[in-house]
Amino acid sequence: DAGITQSPRYKITETGRQVTLMCHQTWSHSYMFWYRQDLGHGLRLIYYSAAADITDKGEVPDGYVVSRSKTENFPLTLESATRSQTSVYFCASRPSGPGINEQFFGPGTRLTVL
Amino acid sequence: GENVEQHPSTLSVQEGDSAVIKCTYSDSASNYFPWYKQELGKRPQLIIDIRSNVGEKKDQRIAVTLNKTAKHFSLHITETQPEDSAVYFCPERSHRNQAGTALIFGKGTTLSVSS
Repeated sequence: DAGITQSPRYKITETGRQVTLMCHQTWSHSYMFWYRQDLGHGLRLIYYSAAADITDKGEVPDGYVVSRSKTENFPLTLESATRSQTSVYFCASRPSGPGINEQFFGPGTRLTVL
Repeated sequence: GENVEQHPSTLSVQEGDSAVIKCTYSDSASNYFPWYKQELGKRPQLIIDIRSNVGEKKDQRIAVTLNKTAKHFSLHITETQPEDSAVYFCPERSHRNQAGTALIFGKGTTLSVSS
């Protein structure tokens, strides 16, 4: 049982390039999330999804695109990467239902934009 | 986070001492209060949580207390050990979106335990 995985774990790209970060979970959790973590800013929510084909903006959505065609996958795309998007990106998932609130995080992807 | 204030932002203690981190919230309807721990280079993980119908919950050396009147909840770590060194977060549900299911984490508290 792999749980929640992210790929790649490390990525170096150049300004202006398109980059897609993958997130896959094997629990069939309804909710999935993307966060970025930067020194001095903590963890900030980029986008989230309540189910397949349902997504919504978080705190810092500009410059990012998400999709959720299948419950288990939630890719995050940087359409034209900028240096300010250098960060560690965490994907997370959580099951739906009352009283179930623990959120499970993936191992993270460290992205460097040169 | 949107409606949660966490204090202090950094905390340094000697091994064996106690550590307390406090979060103040503004939404009276809040009913779930989790604490996440993130060790250096690792992912955040839930360590303890409490619901609004409970005043205190303990799990070995950690405990969470809730004061609904004052709208704050605290994480207590007793007999601290070097492995308690981490960033601790008290996220709250976002009310920005209609579903209100996303957790907003904020900057957290960096705890350093020196031996």
